[in-house]
Amino acid sequence: DAGVIQSPRHEVTEMGQEVTLRCKLISGHNSLFWYRQTMMRGLELLIYFNNNVPIDDSGMPEDRFSAKMPNASFSTLKIQPSEPRDSAVYFCASTVSTDTQYFGPGTRLTVL
Amino acid sequence: AQSVTQLGSHVSVSEGALVLLRCNYSSSVPPYLFWYVQYPNQGLQLLLKYTSAATLVKGINGFEAEFKKSETSFHLTKPSAHMSDAAEYFCAVTEGGAQKLVFGQGTRLTINP
Repeated sequence: DAGVIQSPRHEVTEMGQEVTLRCKLISGHNSLFWYRQTMMRGLELLIYFNNNVPIDDSGMPEDRFSAKMPNASFSTLKIQPSEPRDSAVYFCASTVSTDTQYFGPGTRLTVL
Repeated sequence: AQSVTQLGSHVSVSEGALVLLRCNYSSSVPPYLFWYVQYPNQGLQLLLKYTSAATLVKGINGFEAEFKKSETSFHLTKPSAHMSDAAEYFCAVTEGGAQKLVFGQGTRLTINP
C-alpha cells in the first residue's frame, strides 16, 4: 500500500514566485497535517485538517501561506509570494482519527 | 501547553554499546508520547508510542522506552547499537487523545565502528 505521497521532492524558485506543494493522503485516512522543518526552528506544525476542514492553522507563518483540501485525499500548501526565509523541508502527514501520523518524504524548498 | 525537551542534540556511541536518548515532557493532562526516527533525506517514521497502557513500550528495530510519570520522562534505549541506527530521533507529545503533536528539537545519533 502506498504511503503519503508528496510532490515535488525538490523545488528551487526565485523570491516572489508562487510555490505550490502537493500531498496525497494514505487511502482511508481522514486527517492531514503540514509541517515545516528548519535547522533553526526544528519541526513546526503549520496547519491540520480533519475531514477536509481546517482545525488549527495557528502555525501558519503569515498570509503568504495558504493550505487547502479540495477533496478527502489531496492537499496543497501554497506560498505566494515566496521569500528566502521560506526555505525549508515541508512534510505532510496523515492519520485516521487520533492514531499514529504517517509522514511523507518531504519537499525540500529553496527560495533564492 | 505541552512541550518536549530532548537532552543532547548529538549523541555518539560505539557499535554494540547501549543507546540512551533522553526526553522530558511537560503536559497538563495525561500525555501520549512518541519517538520518531528520521534517516537522511527521508520523512519521519514511528519507532514506538505510549498511549496510557503499559509504561514500558517496545518498538521497532530493538528500541524501547519507559514512561516515568514521576520524572516526566520518556527516554529511548537500545541495548546494542548498530551502524544502521545512525539517524535523527525526535520525541513528541500530544495531550491525551488530541491530534496536535509537539516535537522536541531532535537528537542526532552517530554510531562509531
